[in-house]
Amino acid sequence: GAVVSQHPSRVICKSGTSVKIECRSLDFQATTMFWYRQFPKQSLMLMATSNEGSKATYEQGVEKDKFLINHASLTLSTLTVTSAHPEDSSFYICSAPGLGLYNEQFFGPGTRLTVL
Amino acid sequence: GESVGLHLPTLSVQEGDNSIINCAYSNSASDYFIWYKQESGKGPQFIIDIRSNMDKRQGQRVTVLLNKTVKHLSLQIAATQPGDSAVYFCAENMKGSARQLTFGSGTQLTVLP
Repeated sequence: GAVVSQHPSRVICKSGTSVKIECRSLDFQATTMFWYRQFPKQSLMLMATSNEGSKATYEQGVEKDKFLINHASLTLSTLTVTSAHPEDSSFYICSAPGLGLYNEQFFGPGTRLTVL
Repeated sequence: GESVGLHLPTLSVQEGDNSIINCAYSNSASDYFIWYKQESGKGPQFIIDIRSNMDKRQGQRVTVLLNKTVKHLSLQIAATQPGDSAVYFCAENMKGSARQLTFGSGTQLTVLP
């Protein structure tokens, strides 16, 4: 099946620094990718939709200037958490839809971000 | 707003028994539903999906039932095994929503030896 990878799998950074998370579709092309955030013992919350060749679409309440998304190619989307703060510590997960109207989304393994 | 929710936050079953995980949704415009399994520290793993023009779909040891009348979705796991212990999420896709998924709150399934 289709594989989505994320890098890094976990990152620890100091408050005020920026962190970039990569999401790659390994064996298929994805013009759209989705970024989710998941806090402990909670569900996945959609942050934004990454669109290849155009601006990302952010969900209500998600700051676009803080969570920069770049869909550089048909297999790569990046999420940069700028000026990270401890409250940004979370599990960030990306996904990419398969081909066809009803195909399921393929999720990456997630990135654990800890901001000290 | 409309959301996908679950009746039970936790479920414990004996190994070998059948498990039933329930999900209620309120968006009547949703036309595609998916069950995901998430183990600790990992991304969601696809289990089974169902379209709104169906009411039942079976996979290997799993069955999804969809009742559009009461907006209810369930996941049945036969002969539950220790490896089935995880958090299970239902997710819905609203027709025309660019394939975005809305996730339910999740159910922690624990399989007892």
